[in-house]
Amino acid sequence: NAGVMQNPRHLVRRRGQEARLRCSPMKGHSHVYWYRQLPEEGLKFMVYLQKENIIDESGMPKERFSAEFPKEGPSILRIQQVVRGDSAAYFCASSPVYRGFEQYFGPGTRLTVT
Amino acid sequence: KQEVTQIPAALSVPEGENLVLNCSFTDSAIYNLQWFRQDPGKGLTSLLLIQSSQREQTSGRLNASLDKSSGRSTLYIAASQPGDSATYLCAVTLLTGANSKLTFGKGITLSVRP
Repeated sequence: NAGVMQNPRHLVRRRGQEARLRCSPMKGHSHVYWYRQLPEEGLKFMVYLQKENIIDESGMPKERFSAEFPKEGPSILRIQQVVRGDSAAYFCASSPVYRGFEQYFGPGTRLTVT
Repeated sequence: KQEVTQIPAALSVPEGENLVLNCSFTDSAIYNLQWFRQDPGKGLTSLLLIQSSQREQTSGRLNASLDKSSGRSTLYIAASQPGDSATYLCAVTLLTGANSKLTFGKGITLSVRP
């Protein structure tokens, strides 16, 4: 059973470009979470999704950021018009149900904005 | 608002020493608490999950305890080894609401000297 998969592992974008981060949850997991780890800061929750539903996006910046988890395919975190402050490690986690079970994390995508 | 604190931020010990890593949280209405390990530039590995009804969990040389009423958890590492060098993060899931997002501490960076 493969773990949570994220790609790309490293992504370099110039200011103003779009960044697309992908996350495939573990087999049998229908709940996906995105977290961001800024340099010298802890991991912060961004968004929680189930298939075709955004359950909680309270941690998402109001502009430029969006997330989806379609019926088929991976979850996507999209950042439009990236700025240097978006440089961070973005982690995806999945769990089989929304509460009470461990969240399993992917290896992360390290985004660098030049 | 739930806040998770881990002090100290860094710790250096000689190989073989038993050690305790501390974690405190402000809202005792938690559903569970997880301890993670993060190696430099890598993702998170779940070490132990303690449900709110439990007092402790053990895995190999690791033992995690939970005291909900005082808002504290400890991770005990027995007979530390250089391979234990990493950042250790604790995270809690709140009981209230439908969300099961994790709130993380900033972590304790452990260095075990040979």
